Amino acid sequence: NAGVTQTPKFQVLKTGQSMTLQCAQDMNHNSMYWYRQDPGMGLRLIYYSASEGTTDKGEVPNGYNVSRLNKREFSLRLESAAPSQTSVYFCASRAGQVRQETQYFGPGTRLLVL
Amino acid sequence: TQLLEQSPQFLSIQEGENLTVYCNSSSVFSSLQWYRQEPGEGPVLLVTVVTGGEVKKLKRLTFQFGDARKDSSLHITAAQPGDTGLYLCAGKHSGNTPLVFGKGTRLSVIA
Repeated sequence: NAGVTQTPKFQVLKTGQSMTLQCAQDMNHNSMYWYRQDPGMGLRLIYYSASEGTTDKGEVPNGYNVSRLNKREFSLRLESAAPSQTSVYFCASRAGQVRQETQYFGPGTRLLVL
Repeated sequence: TQLLEQSPQFLSIQEGENLTVYCNSSSVFSSLQWYRQEPGEGPVLLVTVVTGGEVKKLKRLTFQFGDARKDSSLHITAAQPGDTGLYLCAGKHSGNTPLVFGKGTRLSVIA
C-alpha cells in the first residue's frame, strides 16, 4: 500500500496563476482532509470530505476549492494564487471510529507563490 | 481560531535529559491525540487518549489526559536525538467534527 500520495511535491507559481494539488489514498477511507502548515501556525484545516460526494469548509477555506472525485481522490484547487497561499499543503485520510480515529498524512506539497 | 495552546513552542535539550510538553485548552475534548512530524514529512500519530485522567506509555514517552479532558501532557524520559521533531496535539470535540490542531512544540535533542 502506498498510503496517501500527493502530487506535485514542489511548485512555484506566479501571482494569479491557477493550479490543482492532487491527493489519493489506497486505504479505502471515507474521510479525507486538506491542511496547510505555516511556520508557527501548526496545521489549519482548509476543506474536508466526510464521504464521497460531500465536502465542507474548514478553518481557512477562502481562495480554495475542492473536488472529491471518487472515494480515492480529493483535489485542492487554487483558482488565482496569492503570495499569502505560500505554504506546505498536507492531505490526510481518516481510519477508525470517531474517538479512536487515526489520520494518515501524505508527504506534503511545498508551494511558493511569487 | 486555535483552541489548543501548546508550550513551550521551542525546546532544545541535551541527550539523556527529561522533558514535558503541554497542550491546554478552555474547551472539553472527547479525545486528544499526539502526532510527531519529522522534517519534510507528514505528521504521524503517536497516541490517542479518550478518558479523563488516562495515562498511556509508549516506550520512553508518557501521555496524560487531564481529569477534565481540557489538557494533556507528553513526558519524554532520557531523550535521544531520534526524538527530535515537531510534536503536535490535536483534539476532537464530538461526533464527526474535524480535529483541531495546536501550533506544535519543536524539540531538538542534541547528542
